[in-house]
Amino acid sequence: AQKVTQAQTEISVVEKEDVTLDCVYETRDTTYYLFWYKQPPSGELVFLIRRNSFDEQNEISGRYSWNFQKSTSSFNFTITASQVVDSAVYFCALSEAQTSGTYKYIFGTGTRLKVLA
Amino acid sequence: ETGVTQTPRHLVMGMTNKKSLKCEQHLGHNAMYWYKQSAKKPLELMFVYSLEERVENNSVPSRFSPECPNSSHLFLHLHTLQPEDLALYLCASSQDPGKVQNIQYFGAGTRLSVL
Repeated sequence: AQKVTQAQTEISVVEKEDVTLDCVYETRDTTYYLFWYKQPPSGELVFLIRRNSFDEQNEISGRYSWNFQKSTSSFNFTITASQVVDSAVYFCALSEAQTSGTYKYIFGTGTRLKVLA
Repeated sequence: ETGVTQTPRHLVMGMTNKKSLKCEQHLGHNAMYWYKQSAKKPLELMFVYSLEERVENNSVPSRFSPECPNSSHLFLHLHTLQPEDLALYLCASSQDPGKVQNIQYFGAGTRLSVL
């Protein structure tokens, strides 16, 4: 069965520190996608990034960067120079095929990030 | 209008009440989803609709009844709730649930409290 593990339940950092959120996954599929979402206190999950299993290039978007390593089945997320507005719960997810022909997300349990001023 | 809108944002129900949660998507997507988010548990997929047809029903108790009258609207009808139904109910939509790269876009949720 497919699985996503976010071992860090909660992380606290001081503003301007860098922080890395870990995500480890298990899958038997050769083609799959991984996702990161941010859930601020307002509740909605905000899509951050999508990465396919054939693209191991790191990606950077402003202060956000993602490190995908197929050899270790990890898709880690780093925030550089963290800010208070980064405080949220972050979810990693993996797409999984269903018998209905659709795909569903397998979510990790999330990492709560607290950035202190 | 934001992409996915859920109403109400908060709902307090007695265990014998009947109420409905509403979700509307303005993204032109073909699929809509209901999720349950309880404290200290992973997000649970409840239902998936694709082109108004229910394609996934993940062992959800019958006191939760979904309805999808068109591809832009999704409802979750609730009755005879139990204390364990206390949760944030999230709605999402996506363009094509049949593709592995499918991205889901979420609403802000309805926070349900049970008296």
